[in-house]
Amino acid sequence: QLQLQESGPGLVKPSGTLSLTCTVSGGSVSSSSYYWGWIRQPPGKGLEWIGNIYYIGSTYYNPSLRSRLTIFVDTSKNQFSLKLSSVTVADTAVYYCARRAATGFIDYWGQGTLVTVSS
Amino acid sequence: QSALTQPASVSGSPRQSITISCTGTSSDVGSYNLVSWYQQHPGKAPKLMIYEGSKRPSGVSNRFSGSKSGNTASLTISGLQAEDEADYYCCSYAGSSTYVFGTGTKVTVL
Repeated sequence: QLQLQESGPGLVKPSGTLSLTCTVSGGSVSSSSYYWGWIRQPPGKGLEWIGNIYYIGSTYYNPSLRSRLTIFVDTSKNQFSLKLSSVTVADTAVYYCARRAATGFIDYWGQGTLVTVSS
Repeated sequence: QSALTQPASVSGSPRQSITISCTGTSSDVGSYNLVSWYQQHPGKAPKLMIYEGSKRPSGVSNRFSGSKSGNTASLTISGLQAEDEADYYCCSYAGSSTYVFGTGTKVTVL
């Protein structure tokens, strides 16, 4: 059974960089059949697509976050990661990592991790 | 890239049917049959309920069905049950390898 687990600091200072890693178990990030991605959800609000990565390193970003966002994959560790720079309180959210099929649906989600941006 | 529009809330009595709409544009919902629907209970990760517009993953009740007309996708829950009370989100491919979620709908079972 595929499992995804987010990890990283739960508190980031404004103007700092938010960094999260998703560790995949029970499957491989090197699979050619899937993309890996990030979604976030501010407290009490809806879901927002952040971006996806393919195992060869191809990335696809939400245009509204592109200038601050980097997603990369480490196939040797079976992980993929997110870096979001110049964060503000508006970036406070539960961040989910996920597996996305080629036709776009998300079939596996991590449990989510709350990241708070605060001084 | 604007969020797809969903009603904020929909309610129904047990055993009734309800429909949640998801309205986009000709650049997303209207151009691709790649809408998926997710159910989210409080404090939990979303769960896939419908993919590619109308397909149900293994294990999802056949009380859930999806459809599309023009720029609007819909999720219908028939035979409403207490366990269906949750938030529901649609998501569509929006071209250029990007995706957009809906605003979310809170379903209440009366």
